[in-house]
Amino acid sequence: DVVLTQTPSILSATIGQSVSISCRSSQSLLDSDGNTYLYWFLQRPGQSPQRLIYLVSNLGSGVPNRFSGSGSGTDFTLKISGVEAEDLGVYYCMQATHAPYTFGAGTKLELK
Amino acid sequence: AVQLVESGGGLVQPKESLKISCAASGFTFSNAAMYWVRQAPGKGLEWVARIRTKPNNYATYYADSVKGRFTISRDDSKSMVYLQMDNLKTEDTAMYYCTAGGYWGQGVMVTVSS
Repeated sequence: DVVLTQTPSILSATIGQSVSISCRSSQSLLDSDGNTYLYWFLQRPGQSPQRLIYLVSNLGSGVPNRFSGSGSGTDFTLKISGVEAEDLGVYYCMQATHAPYTFGAGTKLELK
Repeated sequence: AVQLVESGGGLVQPKESLKISCAASGFTFSNAAMYWVRQAPGKGLEWVARIRTKPNNYATYYADSVKGRFTISRDDSKSMVYLQMDNLKTEDTAMYYCTAGGYWGQGVMVTVSS
């Protein structure tokens, strides 16, 4: 199975600070159809997950443009350009290129 | 607006069965692959199962941890997706989420305990 390694596991930030989360895959996530099925989700405390980014770099519906995704192959990054209070929670990357699909262990974003 | 509403959770004993459901609305259900994802208390997200659409022969995929015990199915006429869970284990205790196209339901709790 594909293992997704997220770093850091905990991220402390101040409001307005820009931060990045890394997601590294044990295998290339480039599919034979040319797509890379790498997603980013945010789960706020007590809520269901929300999709932020799909196919590496596409912003989900209603997601603020301070969120951006990049990467290819096995290395991916989620960047938040100017953290806001509503961004606090746990961030997960997920791959859907290789079944069984897998999630990273999560990165908790907290206020410094 | 897109809505995914799960139901059917509860408390069951080990080795028992349970079927949870997800009612979808606000999008063309028959065109969407549907997924179940779970989250054990205090833990991260775990993908459980996927079912594709009719043109893709309703192909199904499962996590290794549930293969042979869980069955995902769908009824396009009712915009419903189901997860039949047999031979439940204590480690199946989790919040189960229905998800599709980036949308998530509120989840349904399944507790397996004697």
